Amino acid sequence: AQSVTQLGSHVSVSEGALVLLRCNYSSSVPPYLFWYVQYPNQGLQLLLKYTTGATLVKGINGFEAEFKKSETSFHLTKPSAHMSDAAEYFCAVSDISGTYKYIFGTGTRLKVLA
Amino acid sequence: SQTIHQWPATLVQPVGSPLSLECTVEGTSNPNLYWYRQAAGRGLQLLFYSVGIGQISSEVPQNLSASRPQDRQFILSSKKLLLSDSGFYLCAWSGLAGTYEQYFGPGTRLTVT
Repeated sequence: AQSVTQLGSHVSVSEGALVLLRCNYSSSVPPYLFWYVQYPNQGLQLLLKYTTGATLVKGINGFEAEFKKSETSFHLTKPSAHMSDAAEYFCAVSDISGTYKYIFGTGTRLKVLA
Repeated sequence: SQTIHQWPATLVQPVGSPLSLECTVEGTSNPNLYWYRQAAGRGLQLLFYSVGIGQISSEVPQNLSASRPQDRQFILSSKKLLLSDSGFYLCAWSGLAGTYEQYFGPGTRLTVT
């Protein structure tokens, strides 16, 4: 069975500092992995995805993530945090059977300090 | 381009009342459709998904039901709401050719009083 673990339900960084949000997955087959961002009272917006190919994927708003199969990780990073990055971030792994069901992590709330 | 709509945006309902939340997708055909619930301080829980008209799979036994009367319409219902049904309900779709990601609607905030 697939599962996703996001370490740290709350992360605080200073404006301009590196953002690192951790995601580890468990999957018996090559996974499809996703990061989403959610602002208060809004839906989820796709930040980036890994399906096949290059293991370092770049997304919107300056975020990127690296798929590391040996570590079963897909951590999200951004070199320099901006106040507008404050939100909740969700990592997800997709069922590849055709239903495209997701297993979501429990989310990490990012706080950016001025 | 594709868009997804949910309504209402917010809803306050008394315990024991019925519920109907609607989700529609534009700009695509035969999408997979999903209902999630996000309770306060918790992650996203998949409630139902559908791969076609009239085809509904339930992920969690509960007080809710779902229906898909048309290709791009997904409805979440309850006959009698419980306090525990409060939360943020999100609809999503997937199935854009060659991709695997889900696209989410704006959500419905349900408060059961």
